[in-house]
Amino acid sequence: EAGVTQSPTHLIKTRGQQATLRCSPISGHTSVYWYQQALGLGLQFLLWYDEGEERNRGNFPPRFSGRQFPNYSSELNVNALELEDSALYLCASSLQTPYEQYFGPGTRLTVT
Amino acid sequence: KQEVTQIPAALSVPEGENLVLNCSFTDSAIYNLQWFRQDPGKGLTSLLLIQSSQREQTSGRLNASLDKSSGRSTLYIAASQPGDSATYLCAVRSDRGSTLGRLYFGRGTQLTVWP
Repeated sequence: EAGVTQSPTHLIKTRGQQATLRCSPISGHTSVYWYQQALGLGLQFLLWYDEGEERNRGNFPPRFSGRQFPNYSSELNVNALELEDSALYLCASSLQTPYEQYFGPGTRLTVT
Repeated sequence: KQEVTQIPAALSVPEGENLVLNCSFTDSAIYNLQWFRQDPGKGLTSLLLIQSSQREQTSGRLNASLDKSSGRSTLYIAASQPGDSATYLCAVRSDRGSTLGRLYFGRGTQLTVWP
């Protein structure tokens, strides 16, 4: 069974540009979660999508947004990139119960 | 707001030792608790999931306990091996409507097992 996949592996952008990150969940999983792991800050919850709807959002500005497609894959968009957005972005998926989250390998975003 | 603390922050031991990693959380309204392993620059691998109604889970050389009322979990690693070297993260899933779905993570315990 394939795990959670993310693309691209690495992304280099310039300050002010937009970045789009993609995630494909494990087959059968309907929930997708996004987390940011910035150096020295630990893992921070960004967004939770389930059945195409945004269910919860972390304490991030509106320029962080996303969506979930009918096939349950998801994309995270970051507009007006800032240097501090440089981080490893991790996607996870789960079934509705027992909600065990399985993580992908991440996308390393570097903003210069 | 839920806060998760892991002690110790780092641990360096010789191969073969039995280890205890500690995790504490401030809000007992949790749905479940997960222990993860993260290798440098990589994603997270789920090790064990304990539902809030459970006290213990075991997988191979790993055993995790949960005391929800006191806000504590312990990960026990038996007969440690160099391949166990990684950062171990504890995360709790909120059971509160306003923060449902979120995993709150500790900063992790960086484990080094030397031959």
